[in-house]
Amino acid sequence: AQRVTQPEKLLSVFKGAPVELKCNYSYSGSPELFWYVQYSRQRLQLLLRHISRESIKGFTADLNKGETSFHLKKPFAQEEDSAMYYCAPAMNYGGSQGNLIFGKGTKLSVKP
Amino acid sequence: EAGVTQFPSHSVIEKGQTVTLRCDPISGHDNLYWYRRVMGKEIKFLLHFVKESKQDESGMPNNRFLAERTGGTYSTLKVQPAELEDSGVYFCASSQGARRPNEKLFFGSGTQLSVL
Repeated sequence: AQRVTQPEKLLSVFKGAPVELKCNYSYSGSPELFWYVQYSRQRLQLLLRHISRESIKGFTADLNKGETSFHLKKPFAQEEDSAMYYCAPAMNYGGSQGNLIFGKGTKLSVKP
Repeated sequence: EAGVTQFPSHSVIEKGQTVTLRCDPISGHDNLYWYRRVMGKEIKFLLHFVKESKQDESGMPNNRFLAERTGGTYSTLKVQPAELEDSGVYFCASSQGARRPNEKLFFGSGTQLSVL
């Protein structure tokens, strides 16, 4: 079965510290990988797509196919980064995409 | 630009009653999705419309759930009769292109459903 694992329910860091939110997936084939974020009282929104290789708000994510991981990283956390982060792969089926499968999410708390 | 809107934002009903949730996607978006998050669990896919057609309804829990998207615009999700385990947050999302539907999903604020 397709599965997404975000092992940390809560991650607490101090402002300015590096942060890494872990994500592992179990699929055969090549998923397309996304991170979504939900800030307090806001909607779920796209943070980052692997395929576009964009860096959004200083976050990056590297796909490691050997480890089937797609960890989200930021070198210096800011208080406004406090939010719920969801790893969400989508399978590719012959050029068309399947649906997103969300992990349980990691709550990031950045302390002043 | 108006985002994805969902109505109602909260609904409290008794077990056995019927509830209908509504989602208005962003204008021009062909793809419309329903997801839900029950307490303590991950956000789970329910179904996907492309225009008015059900592309994938593999996530629908059982036949108490009925989704429609008449005319390829807004969608409704009806739960009849509601059970306690249906409580959770129901999200709607929309996206533009049919070929890469997950390119960027725009989510609504969700409907918090409580079944007592």
